[in-house]
Amino acid sequence: NAGVTQTPKFQVLKTGQSMTLQCAQDMNHEYMSWYRQDPGMGLRLIHYSVGAGITDQGEVPNGYNVSRSTTEDFPLRLLSAAPSQTSVYFCASSTGQGQQPQHFGDGTRLSIL
Amino acid sequence: GDSVTQMEGPVTLSEEACLTINCTYTATGYPSLFWYVQYPGEGLQLLLKATKADDKGSNKGFEATYRKETTSFHLEKGSVQVSDSAVYFCALSDQASGDNQGGKLIFGQGTELSVKP
Repeated sequence: NAGVTQTPKFQVLKTGQSMTLQCAQDMNHEYMSWYRQDPGMGLRLIHYSVGAGITDQGEVPNGYNVSRSTTEDFPLRLLSAAPSQTSVYFCASSTGQGQQPQHFGDGTRLSIL
Repeated sequence: GDSVTQMEGPVTLSEEACLTINCTYTATGYPSLFWYVQYPGEGLQLLLKATKADDKGSNKGFEATYRKETTSFHLEKGSVQVSDSAVYFCALSDQASGDNQGGKLIFGQGTELSVKP
């Protein structure tokens, strides 16, 4: 019963460094997404994917890249980290039907110095 | 565009008190509405949902009714416990957005609840 697995749980980066946040799900969900959570702002959608090979931008995509080569995996890449990207990042998956809930990972807490 | 507005927190209650967290929404289509809960250090978990007008979602003593006339989905519980301390998020998924985007969620800002013994 792994569900949605995110790694790492914590990361500290220096400004300008790059890194990849990993997300994997074992529920054969077509829809996957990345959110960032900032105090007082709820969760905001960064990028999402409706299936392998298909990705699209959400509300706050700048500074992030994604790819979806398999149904299971949906990594999020920070190209050149900036202090404004300090946040908690959540990956989620669902069947993609609007009535169905999304399943969230436990999050990655990222600090950019 | 679509949006969700929640009452601001933090909310502090004594054990066994009544809880109401207000949530209102704007949407162009026919959204499904959700309440998610986030316990400290964890990800979000679905608490309850409602998919059409007048539906009532319920779980763990929490309830919320989909009110189309007032565009609201307020979360209620008659008697809170210390274990209910968490952050609560109201969210919508607009099924009319097309392009297989039915999985996209729009969140409110979250309401932190603290229940004291």
